[in-house]
Amino acid sequence: AQTVTQSQPEMSVQEAETVTLSCTYDTSESDYYLFWYKQPPSRQMILVIRQEAYKQQNATENRFSVNFQKAAKSFSLKISDSQLGDAAMYFCAYSGGSQGNLIFGKGTKLSVKP
Amino acid sequence: ETGVTQTPRHLVMGMTNKKSLKCEQHLGHNAMYWYKQSAKKPLELMFVYSLEERVENNSVPSRFSPECPNSSHLFLHLHTLQPEDSALYLCASSARSSMNTEAFFGQGTRLTVV
Repeated sequence: AQTVTQSQPEMSVQEAETVTLSCTYDTSESDYYLFWYKQPPSRQMILVIRQEAYKQQNATENRFSVNFQKAAKSFSLKISDSQLGDAAMYFCAYSGGSQGNLIFGKGTKLSVKP
Repeated sequence: ETGVTQTPRHLVMGMTNKKSLKCEQHLGHNAMYWYKQSAKKPLELMFVYSLEERVENNSVPSRFSPECPNSSHLFLHLHTLQPEDSALYLCASSARSSMNTEAFFGQGTRLTVV
């Protein structure tokens, strides 16, 4: 069975600094997708970034980028120039196999200090 | 706003009550999901509907009963719940039930069982 592990329950970063959130996963599939979702205090989960496993190039969305290490089954999220609005729960998610349902990690709560 | 609306936002119910959670999307999606979010646990996928047909039921107790009358609406009928069922219930939709599709989430219903 596929699993997603986020080993950092909470992280803190100074405004304008860079922070990296960790995620590892376990799967026997060769073709899959990985996602980072953000859940602000308002609770509505939104997609931050997506990575396709067959692409070696790391995905980038403005200040958000990933470090995808397929062999190590690692998928970390880097947030550059952190802003107060980045404070939220961040969930790493995996989707693969015949059904393709999203499997989430426990989340990392990110605080941004002014 | 992600285009997925859940009502009510908050619900308190007794263990003998019957209530329903509602989810609505007008994004043209044909897959809808119920997730349970408890503190310090990964999001748990409960049910998946694809083209109004239930395609997955992750060993959810029968006191939770989903209904998908059409591709835009999804309900979760609740009866004789237990206090441990208190959680945030999230609805999501996607264009199709496949692994590369972004899921759009509602704001959730905070359920408290007393």
